[in-house]
Amino acid sequence: SQTIHQWPATLVQPVGSPLSLECTVEGTSNPNLYWYRQAAGRGLQLLFYSVGIGQISSEVPQNLSASRPQDRQFILSSKKLLLSDSGFYLCAWSGGGEAFFGQGTRLTVV
Amino acid sequence: KQEVTQIPAALSVPEGENLVLNCSFTDSAIYNLQWFRQDPGKGLTSLLLIQSSQREQTSGRLNASLDKSSGRSTLYIAASQPGDSATYLCAVDTGTASKLTFGTGTRLQVTL
Repeated sequence: SQTIHQWPATLVQPVGSPLSLECTVEGTSNPNLYWYRQAAGRGLQLLFYSVGIGQISSEVPQNLSASRPQDRQFILSSKKLLLSDSGFYLCAWSGGGEAFFGQGTRLTVV
Repeated sequence: KQEVTQIPAALSVPEGENLVLNCSFTDSAIYNLQWFRQDPGKGLTSLLLIQSSQREQTSGRLNASLDKSSGRSTLYIAASQPGDSATYLCAVDTGTASKLTFGTGTRLQVTL
């Protein structure tokens, strides 16, 4: 069966520091991969998606970037965090139908 | 641009009641609609997926319906239990790389 791993679960980072969140999927090949953010009191917003290795599409302009170095690995990064980057980050995968989500990373920028 | 609305935003019911959560979307050209559950501080758990050609899906005490032409979906929960307390999210897939547009959710509390 397919599983999705996302880490770390929580992260507190100072403003201006770098960020790297990692997500890996097991049990499937060539999945579509996604990064969503859930800000307090707001719905989930799609940040990036990828339909293949090295293929990244950005949905909203922001201080973040994403990379897909391997088929089942998706990384969310920032060179310098802003206070507004705080939120709950969720990785997801889809085979073209049902979507499955990781357990999320709570990022607090202080 | 697709917009998804969920009503009510919050709901409190006594254990054992049947309840309905509503989801509406502005663009009927969807590929599928998915209902999720989110517990506080956790990720999303997929509950039901309804393809655009389907009218409803059932899983245990959950039944989701889809009326694509009117842009509406409902999630029916039978015989609610305290363990059903969570936020329920609906999301529509417009078919482009299976990107999802989410509603803001309905926070459900089932009391003893």
